[in-house]
Amino acid sequence: DAGITQSPRYKITETGRQVTLMCHQTWSHSYMFWYRQDLGHGLRLIYYSAAADITDKGEVPDGYVVSRSKTENFPLTLESATRSQTSVYFCASSAMRDEQYFGPGTRLTVT
Amino acid sequence: KQEVTQIPAALSVPEGENLVLNCSFTDSAIYNLQWFRQDPGKGLTSLLLIQSSQREQTSGRLNASLDKSSGRSTLYIAASQPGDSATYLCAVKEGGGSQGNLIFGKGTKLSVKP
Repeated sequence: DAGITQSPRYKITETGRQVTLMCHQTWSHSYMFWYRQDLGHGLRLIYYSAAADITDKGEVPDGYVVSRSKTENFPLTLESATRSQTSVYFCASSAMRDEQYFGPGTRLTVT
Repeated sequence: KQEVTQIPAALSVPEGENLVLNCSFTDSAIYNLQWFRQDPGKGLTSLLLIQSSQREQTSGRLNASLDKSSGRSTLYIAASQPGDSATYLCAVKEGGGSQGNLIFGKGTKLSVKP
């Protein structure tokens, strides 16, 4: 009963490097989401996906890329990390328009 | 653009007290509203989900109400305990064309003192 998992839980990377955050859910939920949480801004949506191969931008998509080739996975890639992308990243999933369930988060530091 | 506000930003109460957390939103055309709890350094735990057609939901010592017309929701916590200390977030899911993303408030940090 793993639910929704994220890896890595902590990551330190350098400016300009590419980094991928992984998200995996075992419920076969159709919807998956990526949020970032920053002091003063709260949680903001980066990208979401309504189904495999269907993705759409959220409020703050610049500098991020997503893909969803399988229903259970929704990786988030920072193509060239910047210090402003230092944040805590949360993945979430839901069945249709119902309750969203969140993963434990990935704390990313870009130096 | 939908905005969600939670007041107060922080609240400290003695153990055993009943308390109310407030959430307001600017656009009443919501699909549902969800209350979450977040412990320091942890993810979000869903507490209650209220559909737009509902007025309230209850789970144990928690009761959430929704008044769409006034753009308000409250989370009532009965007989508070130190273990209730956490940040409480409300989030609305918009109706209309958006497919399922949530708009979050910035949270109320609750401290329950023994």
